[in-house]
Amino acid sequence: RKEVEQDPGPFNVPEGATVAFNCTYSNSASQSFFWYRQDCRKEPKLLMSVYSSGNEDGRFTAQLNRASQYISLLIRDSKLSDSATYLCVVNNGGNMLTFGGGTRLMVKP
Amino acid sequence: GAVVSQHPSRVICKSGTSVKIECRSLDFQATTMFWYRQFPKQSLMLMATSNEGSKATYEQGVEKDKFLINHASLTLSTLTVTSAHPEDSSFYICSAILRLSGNTIYFGEGSWLTVV
Repeated sequence: RKEVEQDPGPFNVPEGATVAFNCTYSNSASQSFFWYRQDCRKEPKLLMSVYSSGNEDGRFTAQLNRASQYISLLIRDSKLSDSATYLCVVNNGGNMLTFGGGTRLMVKP
Repeated sequence: GAVVSQHPSRVICKSGTSVKIECRSLDFQATTMFWYRQFPKQSLMLMATSNEGSKATYEQGVEKDKFLINHASLTLSTLTVTSAHPEDSSFYICSAILRLSGNTIYFGEGSWLTVV
């Protein structure tokens, strides 16, 4: 089993749709969690950190479920510019990050 | 603006030659930097952890004599791909931790290496 697993997609959604991604992690001792966005042929960029209480940033909502060991990302009112690969990233301590394989989102007009 | 800068963004080299990629932290000191490799349609894979003033720590399966890492200053780490082969063609990305921003990890822009 991979340490961090994501559905690779692609998720094809129309503009304005709501879409959700899940990511499961295997290490119960994982300490912090992030969602990064990676555009084609570019470096990953931090989208948001994920907290136990859940956090929201505009159209984006991230949640953490420690009991079931997964994190989620919800995107409301999808825009064309949201098309990208979303990487789930887990920090198991010591500044070491483990990346999920990424979920590709394609928002269509 | 960029927090971590990487250079060159693209490089083409002949098989058998060596190529150096630089990773700089801008306006902050990074005692630790990380080097990743990403093949097309795959996730980032950590290659090594670069430690200022000491030897890099390599992940299992990464040849330390082929991928030379030097972290000679608090703002610069370099990755040298020695005797490059076509199978080394990949996207190489570095990252560093900006502690003042809650230990957020920032990535360089990445370097596309093509070995012909």
